[in-house]
Amino acid sequence: GAVVSQHPSRVICKSGTSVKIECRSLDFQATTMFWYRQFPKQSLMLMATSNEGSKATYEQGVEKDKFLINHASLTLSTLTVTSAHPEDSSFYICSASRSSGANVLTFGAGSRLTVL
Amino acid sequence: AQKVTQAQTEISVVEKEDVTLDCVYETRDTTYYLFWYKQPPSGELVFLIRRNSFDEQNEISGRYSWNFQKSTSSFNFTITASQVVDSAVYFCALSEAQRGRRALTFGSGTRLQVQP
Repeated sequence: GAVVSQHPSRVICKSGTSVKIECRSLDFQATTMFWYRQFPKQSLMLMATSNEGSKATYEQGVEKDKFLINHASLTLSTLTVTSAHPEDSSFYICSASRSSGANVLTFGAGSRLTVL
Repeated sequence: AQKVTQAQTEISVVEKEDVTLDCVYETRDTTYYLFWYKQPPSGELVFLIRRNSFDEQNEISGRYSWNFQKSTSSFNFTITASQVVDSAVYFCALSEAQRGRRALTFGSGTRLQVQP
């Protein structure tokens, strides 16, 4: 149990276009999902906390207008990178927390974004 | 603020050697969780262990063992008789349960290379 699916796993886009990444909890409900970004050979940095039915909470330094997060259901959160630039090229990973119970986080397999 | 420090950036060992990955953390909370994850070249995060702050018992799982020392705020990870398949980046992470902040703060990671 506790599987998180992330799609797409890899995406290449042109500069200036928008890219949407989906994070789905397949067998549990997740009121909260987290989006992380990992640049090459660096650690994972929390970008934002996605709350079902409400606005996402962004970490300091993360542009909310550039990284649009939507958490419309208990099993799906999406991250849209708007007007992508080469510096947005990164590995984006989501994680989901069960609605109840102990502090258990399940991570998706990640999405590697390359902006040309 | 919470912080996780993994002072070892890269470690290289020869197969069958034992290796210890260090992790030191900082937190204001009395209740928190500590984690270790493995990230192979494919990028997905593989969960290894979760430990809560009230459980200082060391744990062994096969070739893996963890030493939690609350007095020194350390949560070190030892791989016994290392194998080439252990080559990966290992992350130590912390979440502060009391403040409901279930997002993880990651250390910078330790890249382990096990040579045949």
